[in-house]
Amino acid sequence: RKEVEQDPGPFNVPEGATVAFNCTYSNSASQSFFWYRQDCRKEPKLLMSVYSSGNEDGRFTAQLNRASQYISLLIRDSKLSDSATYLCVVSRGSTLGRLYFGRGTQLTVWP
Amino acid sequence: ETGVTQTPRHLVMGMTNKKSLKCEQHLGHNAMYWYKQSAKKPLELMFVYNFKEQTENNSVPSRFSPECPNSSHLFLHLHTLQPEDSALYLCASSPTRSGGASGELFFGEGSRLTVL
Repeated sequence: RKEVEQDPGPFNVPEGATVAFNCTYSNSASQSFFWYRQDCRKEPKLLMSVYSSGNEDGRFTAQLNRASQYISLLIRDSKLSDSATYLCVVSRGSTLGRLYFGRGTQLTVWP
Repeated sequence: ETGVTQTPRHLVMGMTNKKSLKCEQHLGHNAMYWYKQSAKKPLELMFVYNFKEQTENNSVPSRFSPECPNSSHLFLHLHTLQPEDSALYLCASSPTRSGGASGELFFGEGSRLTVL
């Protein structure tokens, strides 16, 4: 079983739409959770960390359910510039050396 | 401008060649990483260095040989590679191996390798 599994995608949505991505992780010992964004032919960049109580950063909301080992990312009022691949990332311990990446979910926002 | 610079950006090599990938970070970080990104696969951790010492080798074949002369530079020496090694090789850094305040990895733009 893969460490991190994500929605296969791709997601194609119009501007202004709300879109949600889901992610599950297999190891209950996982401690830290992140969403990264990777634009086409560019490097991954941290979008936001995911906290147990859920957290919001502008139009982006991340949720964590430890019991279900499930992470989500909600994007409201989608913009063209949100088009990218979104990577779910999980860390088992305090070391970043053990980051596990999902395959990513591709999002295209069309005008 | 990225704080992590990788060269070359593109590399084509034969299976008998020897080449090296270079990574330099200008962020004052102490931990550096090599990741491999293949098409339709998740990023795979290859190596981790913390204060110039290798702390992780994720069962990487010996045809990949890392070198970290100081906390700002990381190399990946390549020899007798296979076509299936063709991928995007990403270097990353973080303040410390435990991630610092945000747990953020800073990636370079990658070196796209094609093995013929």
